[in-house]
Amino acid sequence: RKEVEQDPGPFNVPEGATVAFNCTYSNSASQSFFWYRQDCRKEPKLLMSVYSSGNEDGRFTAQLNRASQYISLLIRDSKLSDSATYLCVVNVRYSTLTFGKGTMLLVSP
Amino acid sequence: DTGVSQDPRHKITKRGQNVTFRCDPISEHNRLYWYRQTLGQGPEFLTYFQNEAQLEKSRLLSDRFSAERPKGSFSTLEIQRTEQGDSAMYLCASSLGAGADNTEAFFGQGTRLTVV
Repeated sequence: RKEVEQDPGPFNVPEGATVAFNCTYSNSASQSFFWYRQDCRKEPKLLMSVYSSGNEDGRFTAQLNRASQYISLLIRDSKLSDSATYLCVVNVRYSTLTFGKGTMLLVSP
Repeated sequence: DTGVSQDPRHKITKRGQNVTFRCDPISEHNRLYWYRQTLGQGPEFLTYFQNEAQLEKSRLLSDRFSAERPKGSFSTLEIQRTEQGDSAMYLCASSLGAGADNTEAFFGQGTRLTVV
């Protein structure tokens, strides 16, 4: 089983739609969780950290379910500029950051 | 510019040659990571330093790869006897960590290696 699994997509949605991405992780010692955004041929950039209580940043909401080892990202009112690959990232205690393969989002007019 | 910087941005080399990449992390960050990314894949972990100590190396990192971080500042990644399969984007990231805790990592723009 891969350490961090994501549906690669692509998710094709119209502007204004709500879209949700899921991610599962295998290591129960994981302690920090992040969503990164990566534009084509660019470096990954932090979108948001994911906290146990869930957190929101504008149109973006992240949720963590430790019991199910599952992380989600919800994007409301999608914009054309949201088109990118979204990477789920997990940090295991005393260790490094592990990335999923990413989920591609394409927002169309 | 106070972000992570990598040099060079692009490198084309012939198979069998050695290449070296440099990464300058954010100055106050004690942790530095090297990742490799190929098309359609997420970044794959290669190695990780805390200050000058190399704490973890991936099984992906063959004997041809070596990384250093002298004095706990900049880092270099060397690939000896390059192969076509080494063609990828090499990403460096840095973060501030203490013990088990780790803040988010910030990435450089990467070095794109093409082995011909």
